[in-house]
Amino acid sequence: NAGVTQTPKFRILKIGQSMTLQCTQDMNHNYMYWYRQDPGMGLKLIYYSVGAGITDKGEVPNGYNVSRSTTEDFPLRLELAAPSQTSVYFCASRSGISATGELFFGEGSRLTVL
Amino acid sequence: GNSVTQMEGPVTLSEEAFLTINCTYTATGYPSLFWYVQYPGEGLQLLLKATKADDKGSNKGFEATYRKETTSFHLEKGSVQVSDSAVYFCALSVRDNDMRFGAGTRLTVKP
Repeated sequence: NAGVTQTPKFRILKIGQSMTLQCTQDMNHNYMYWYRQDPGMGLKLIYYSVGAGITDKGEVPNGYNVSRSTTEDFPLRLELAAPSQTSVYFCASRSGISATGELFFGEGSRLTVL
Repeated sequence: GNSVTQMEGPVTLSEEAFLTINCTYTATGYPSLFWYVQYPGEGLQLLLKATKADDKGSNKGFEATYRKETTSFHLEKGSVQVSDSAVYFCALSVRDNDMRFGAGTRLTVKP
């Protein structure tokens, strides 16, 4: 039972470098999300997608991009890494039937930008 | 806008003590309310939820009641164990494309 899988688990970047965080889910969920978790700040929504080909901004989208070419995959792209993007990133999915459904989370990706 | 405010931690308790973590919310419409738990090195997982006023969610000895009159969803457990040490997040969802989280409360239970 894989659920939501994120890679890599850890990554160190230099300022200005680019990278992609991968996220895959095998539950056939329509809705997928990227959150960042900063200490004492809870989770902030970066981007979300309601289905293949459809994405939209969340609370903190600046500095990030996403795509959704398939139901399963929802990668998050950092184009020019900055120290402010040091955080733990979580991908999540939801069936999307209603607001009563729970989110299923990946194990997280810890990114450090130096 | 929609938001959640939860009790700041950290909270340290002895085993078998009573736990309360306060959570209040602000929302337009009729939110569903959730408690998620995050164990060290893991992602968040659902602990319990309630989808309408006066509903009680429960799981693993934890309970929370959806109180519309006080806009609250406080988490309680009668007797905590060392294994309950984790970070607990209150959350709400009004639309199926969004879920808002509180800042999290770190609980440490000592033997």
